[in-house]
Formats: sequence, C-alpha cells, structure tokens
Amino acid sequence: DAGVIQSPRHEVTEMGQEVTLRCKPISGHDYLFWYRQTMMRGLELLIYFNNNVPIDDSGMPEDRFSAKMPNASFSTLKIQPSEPRDSAVYFCASSSSALSNEKLFFGSGTQLSVL
Amino acid sequence: LAKTTQPISMDSYEGQEVNITCSHNNIATNDYITWYQQFPSQGPRFIIQGYKTKVTNEVASLFIPADRKSSTLSLPRVSLSDTAVYYCLALYGSGNTGKLIFGQGTTLQVKP
Repeated sequence: DAGVIQSPRHEVTEMGQEVTLRCKPISGHDYLFWYRQTMMRGLELLIYFNNNVPIDDSGMPEDRFSAKMPNASFSTLKIQPSEPRDSAVYFCASSSSALSNEKLFFGSGTQLSVL
Repeated sequence: LAKTTQPISMDSYEGQEVNITCSHNNIATNDYITWYQQFPSQGPRFIIQGYKTKVTNEVASLFIPADRKSSTLSLPRVSLSDTAVYYCLALYGSGNTGKLIFGQGTTLQVKP
C-alpha cells in the first residue's frame, strides 16, 4: 500500500486566495483526520470523518475552513479566503478502527505558506 | 481541562537509554496511549501503544502506571538516527465526544 497520500506537498499563495488540500487515505480505513501543525500550537485536530461522515469539526478554526469527504478514497480541506496566519503544515491521517485503539497513519503533509 | 504534557526537549548521547515521560490526567479509562516519532518534513509515525503496565516492541518500551496519569517511552541505546520529535497521544472523553489530544512533542537530540 502506498500509504496516505497528500497533495500538494508545498503550496504558496497570496492572502485572499482559495487553497485546496487533498488527501487519499489508506484503502479500507474508515477514519480520516485532518491535523494542522505549527510551532506555537503543535499538532491540532481540525476535523475527522468516519465512513465519509464528519463526526467532529470543533477544531476547525473558522468558517473560512471547510472539509469534505465525497467518497472513501478522497478528502479535501479548503481555506477560503486564506490568511497569513493559516501558514502551517497540514497533515491528513487515516486509521482502520475506533478513535484511538488503532494507530494513525499520517501522510507527508502539505506545507502551506500564505503571503 | 484535558491536557497532554511532555518535556519540550531532551539531549542524549549515542548508546544511552532515553526515557520521555508524558502526563495525561483524566484520559479515557478504556483506551490506549500511543507514541509517535516525527522526522523533519515527514508525518508522525507510530512507535508503540499500550494500555497499562509495560509493552515492548523492537524499537521501544512503554511503561504505564496503574493510575494511567502518565506514560514513559523508553528508547534503549539510542543512535544518531533517533534524533526526532516524539509525541504522546491520548484520548479524553469517550465515543463520538472523545478527543484525541497530542502532547506538544519532545525534541530529542542524540549527540555522538
């Protein structure tokens, strides 16, 4: 298996632009997570899905952030409009079972820079 | 307030044993504590997971006391390639209201 695949690896954009991050989870995994990592706040859970349904989006910072999972093999995280404070590494992770009892498999992340 | 706390950084020398302790008060009673390793420009990678007492695998050991308010990751005989950031992860609450909270990460620097 190729693991969790994220694209793009790097994204540089200007303030106000729309940004879309993409994730392909490991086949057969029922849970998909979006995390944001910064030096100040560490790893923060933004949202997670179970069987393509959003379960907890309380970590999504603002209405500018939205996430979708149209099918079991694809998810997107969108920021519109983007702001400089959104600059961070965004990770997608998937797991095969219950919330914590199974290990999370992380993608390589998307390094987002908003100028 | 749910909080997972670990030291910000640690230094060690090659060949030494390194112990990193994480505090996690009031975690879910029926779930695992998990540790991850992260190298620059990569996502965190699973190292070890345990529920209580001691767990050992090919890379590390994990010690969890009976009260489960802390856990200690033990890396035997570290090498330069073990230089990385180490995170503990615990579940607070339960079911769909539970929240997985990472510690802030411990940067381990292994020196020759």
